[in-house]
Amino acid sequence: DIQMTQSPSSLSASVGDRVTITCRASQGIRIDLSWYQQVPGKAPKRLIYAASSLQSGVPSRFSGSGSGTEFTLTISSLRPEDFATYYCLQHNTYPYTFGQGTKLEIK
Amino acid sequence: EVQLVESGGGLVQPGGSLRLSCAASGFSFSDHYMDWVRQAPGKGLVWVGRIRNKANSYTTEYVASVKGRFTISRDDSRNSVFLQMSSLKTEDTAVYYCARSYCTNDGCPTQLDHWGQGTLVTASS
Repeated sequence: DIQMTQSPSSLSASVGDRVTITCRASQGIRIDLSWYQQVPGKAPKRLIYAASSLQSGVPSRFSGSGSGTEFTLTISSLRPEDFATYYCLQHNTYPYTFGQGTKLEIK
Repeated sequence: EVQLVESGGGLVQPGGSLRLSCAASGFSFSDHYMDWVRQAPGKGLVWVGRIRNKANSYTTEYVASVKGRFTISRDDSRNSVFLQMSSLKTEDTAVYYCARSYCTNDGCPTQLDHWGQGTLVTASS
């Protein structure tokens, strides 16, 4: 199975900060990667697909980059509603695998 | 509007069985692949499996931990996908989500883009 190593596992930041979350794949996955945001008690919401394409309706402060084995999700200026848990998902090879999640908390 | 609504969760004893349903609306269900993802309490997301569409013979994929115990099926006439779970273990306790994906012979332009709200399965004595 492809292992997705996500870092950091938790992150404290303030409104207005710029934050970056990283996912590393144990083998190359081209750009077959999505990013999701999950608020407690709710279903995950897709933010980014194909590594860098912004899902319709998602604010432009979210961006993704990378290909192959290293990927990043960047939030350019945190807003209060962005404090949530973020996951990457590789959908290159079965079984699809998620990163372990990054919990973004208010400092 | 795309909607996915899961149902069928509940309390089941270890070794028991349960069938989850996911009712879809707002899109061409029969054209899409459908996935199941689960999340144990306080834990991360785990992809469980997928069923392809009729054009791809309704073939399925599963994560190793459920292979042989879980079966995904679909009824395009009812716009529904199902997850039949048997020989349940305590570690199968989780919220189960269904999600849609769209694939063609040239690849999958969209994967797990819309999710249902989830249904909780508790395997406990």
